[in-house]
Amino acid sequence: GAVVSQHPSRVICKSGTSVKIECRSLDFQATTMFWYRQFPKKSLMLMATSNEGSKATYEQGVEKDKFLINHASLTLSTLTVTSAHPEDSSFYICSAREGLAGPDTQYFGPGTRLTVL
Amino acid sequence: AQSVTQLGSHVSVSEGALVLLRCNYSSSVPPYLFWYVQYPNQGLQLLLKYTTGATLVKGINGFEAEFKKSETSFHLTKPSAHMSDAAEYFCAVSDGAEYGNKLVFGAGTILRVKS
Repeated sequence: GAVVSQHPSRVICKSGTSVKIECRSLDFQATTMFWYRQFPKKSLMLMATSNEGSKATYEQGVEKDKFLINHASLTLSTLTVTSAHPEDSSFYICSAREGLAGPDTQYFGPGTRLTVL
Repeated sequence: AQSVTQLGSHVSVSEGALVLLRCNYSSSVPPYLFWYVQYPNQGLQLLLKYTTGATLVKGINGFEAEFKKSETSFHLTKPSAHMSDAAEYFCAVSDGAEYGNKLVFGAGTILRVKS
């Protein structure tokens, strides 16, 4: 099946620094990628939807200047957490959708655990 | 707005016993419903989905779920649990009326299988 990778799997950074997380579709072209945040014992919350070559659409309450999303190619999307603070510590998961398929064809990455000290 | 409630953050069953994971949803339009499974350090994998048609849907690994509109439920079942079923399970809903709409997830249920 389709595979989505994320890098890094874990990252620890100091408060005030920026962290970039990569999401790649390994064997298909992803016209749309989604970024989720998962808090302990809570749901995955959609942060933003990114379409290749256009600006990301952010969910209500998500700071777009804080969480920069770039989807420059059909196989790569990046999430940059700028000026990270301890409250940004979380598990970030991306998913990718192939072509013009419907909502049931999202393929998920394994997630990135971010810890901000 | 759509929402999903999964009853029970942890469920424990014996190997060979029935697995029942509960999911109730709220949606103002006919929903698309999904169950995903997440193993440690892995991505979410689609178990099964309901879009339209038959309300009893069968998925991978022997799981099935039934869409009950009157009860706004989409409970996941498996007749006989296997040790390899131990994982976290997420129910999700999507607004099927809009093409490519986003998924709204429940909080997840961790399934433990005892030998």
